[in-house]
Amino acid sequence: KQEVTQIPAALSVPEGENLVLNCSFTDSAIYNLQWFRQDPGKGLTSLLLIQSSQREQTSGRLNASLDKSSGRSTLYIAASQPGDSATYLCAVRNQGAQKLVFGQGTRLTINP
Amino acid sequence: NAGVTQTPKFRILKIGQSMTLQCAQDMNHNYMYWYRQDPGMGLKLIYYSVGAGITDKGEVPNGYNVSRSTTEDFPLRLELAAPSQTSVYFCASSYDRSSYNEQFFGPGTRLTVL
Repeated sequence: KQEVTQIPAALSVPEGENLVLNCSFTDSAIYNLQWFRQDPGKGLTSLLLIQSSQREQTSGRLNASLDKSSGRSTLYIAASQPGDSATYLCAVRNQGAQKLVFGQGTRLTINP
Repeated sequence: NAGVTQTPKFRILKIGQSMTLQCAQDMNHNYMYWYRQDPGMGLKLIYYSVGAGITDKGEVPNGYNVSRSTTEDFPLRLELAAPSQTSVYFCASSYDRSSYNEQFFGPGTRLTVL
């Protein structure tokens, strides 16, 4: 059974820092991995999707990497801003499966 | 292009009442999903649909029903509300199951059962 873990559960950093959020999964037979952002009381916004054949994806100040063999993905945020404060969720889809399996999220606070 | 829309945004039900959560998408997506999110937990799949007229159970289907009569709409029905169904419900859609297709989420419905 696929399990997804995100550590730490919460992170607070000063504005301008580069930071890394971690996601680990137990079953390496994944189809793809998606990173989402969730603002308080809001829905999920898709940030990046990495297919199983890819090693990384980039969008603006965000870079997501995938290492299937070690069961890990990282989300790198460059030059963090207070507007980046949110909960970041990673989710994986296994081969042959319909559902996304979600981690519990990392609540990120960027202090001005 | 509104994306995925959900109504209502909030609802309070009494135990035993019924209601339907509405979900619609205007992206011509074939696949639609219902998830629930409990505090401190990840999202869990309730039901999904791969096209009009085709639905299937997810991880936590008990107490819920769905139907999909059109490509655009995927309502979720709670027949006899229970406190355990207090949660935030998210509808999502994707074009198909290809590995490069993202799931897009609606804004959610916050349901409280008292």
